Amino acid sequence: AQSVTQPDIHITVSEGASLELRCNYSYGATPYLFWYVQSPGQGLQLLLKYFSGDTLVQGIKGFEAEFKRSQSSFNLRKPSVHWSDAAEYFCATLTSYDKVIFGPGTSLSVIP
Amino acid sequence: GAVVSQHPSRVICKSGTSVKIECRSLDFQATTMFWYRQFPKQSLMLMATSNEGSKATYEQGVEKDKFLINHASLTLSTLTVTSAHPEDSSFYICSARDVWGAQYNEQFFGPGTRLTVL
Repeated sequence: AQSVTQPDIHITVSEGASLELRCNYSYGATPYLFWYVQSPGQGLQLLLKYFSGDTLVQGIKGFEAEFKRSQSSFNLRKPSVHWSDAAEYFCATLTSYDKVIFGPGTSLSVIP
Repeated sequence: GAVVSQHPSRVICKSGTSVKIECRSLDFQATTMFWYRQFPKQSLMLMATSNEGSKATYEQGVEKDKFLINHASLTLSTLTVTSAHPEDSSFYICSARDVWGAQYNEQFFGPGTRLTVL
């Protein structure tokens, strides 16, 4: 079955430092992949998505992600983290049954 | 862009009562909507797929008699939590697909409904 995993439950970075959140997927064909962010008590906001084409995807808020088929990964990156980036981040995939399956999430804390 | 709303945003009810949550696609038609549940500090778990004009499809382990889903129009799906109990307290999020739009492979999420059962 298609799935996504996020190996890091929680990450802490200093403000201004770079960030990389890991996501691995399991699917034989080219997957549809998403990164969402959720602030406490809030809904989901789509950061970026990958369907096909250029493997480096630019998103909102200065985020980008790179699709690497050889590593079955879709890691999210940001060159310089802001305190407002502290939130829960979810990697997700659209399955062949048109269902979105979410990873377990990575909680990001930012140290001033 | 495609907008999905939910109502109410928060609801508190007594144990044993039923609660209805609405999910609306505001600027597009959604033949399919999805309902998710999220417990504190956990990920979103798909509960069911709601199809306009037909019965919902429930994920394994989700009680269909407890979580009644109705998708009577192309812009509205409702989730009714029947005889709610404290363990049903959770964050419920819906999503919808704009199957005729350019972003047909993307689901648009509502802001969520916080249900607290006392």
